[in-house]
Amino acid sequence: DGGITQSPKYLFRKEGQNVTLSCEQNLNHDAMYWYRQDPGQGLRLIYYSQIVNDFQKGDIAEGYSVSREKKESFPLTVTSAQKNPTAFYLCASSPSGPHLNEQYFGPGTRLTVT
Amino acid sequence: AQSVTQPDIHITVSEGASLELRCNYSYGATPYLFWYVQSPGQGLQLLLKYFSGDTLVQGIKGFEAEFKRSQSSFNLRKPSVHWSDAAEYFCAVGPQGGSEKLVFGKGTKLTVNP
Repeated sequence: DGGITQSPKYLFRKEGQNVTLSCEQNLNHDAMYWYRQDPGQGLRLIYYSQIVNDFQKGDIAEGYSVSREKKESFPLTVTSAQKNPTAFYLCASSPSGPHLNEQYFGPGTRLTVT
Repeated sequence: AQSVTQPDIHITVSEGASLELRCNYSYGATPYLFWYVQSPGQGLQLLLKYFSGDTLVQGIKGFEAEFKRSQSSFNLRKPSVHWSDAAEYFCAVGPQGGSEKLVFGKGTKLTVNP
């Protein structure tokens, strides 16, 4: 079955440590996205990538970094510079062309930093 | 700038009752419109989408939505709610022509009473 996988489902880190969240898709989608979700805030876009080796900042990119070395993979690193990293992180992908913004989501990773 | 408003933060209905979740958008042209559903701790699942054509669109799980250009609305409806429909629902808007960014509403949480 085609889909998006995110691992791990739960992640715990100490303050000051960088942490990388995994996102893999086998839908052959060109575009991939990272969102952050906080209660009552909806979804906020962190980074997105339309093509391998290229990505753009979203609305809340500070304290985060990404890479896109393979079409299937779009890992997100939460750095120690992110002031409030505890949140639910969602990865999504979408096909290219006119349906570029028809996004499909992974199951999410809940990150807790203490 | 695009924006999406979901006026109801929380709605409670009885099982078997009808449901309507409101979504209003702000955009200069006809957008692409989406409804997503999220169960607790899970990713978002696409319920339905409007790109063009018939303004009444059918989705999965018995949901439908109607695009009303004059009211800038895309309300989600279901004639008879089931207990398994309890979840959070997000409306999203994206520009036609393949731009990559979706704008999400803050969500409406649905509680279903037995």
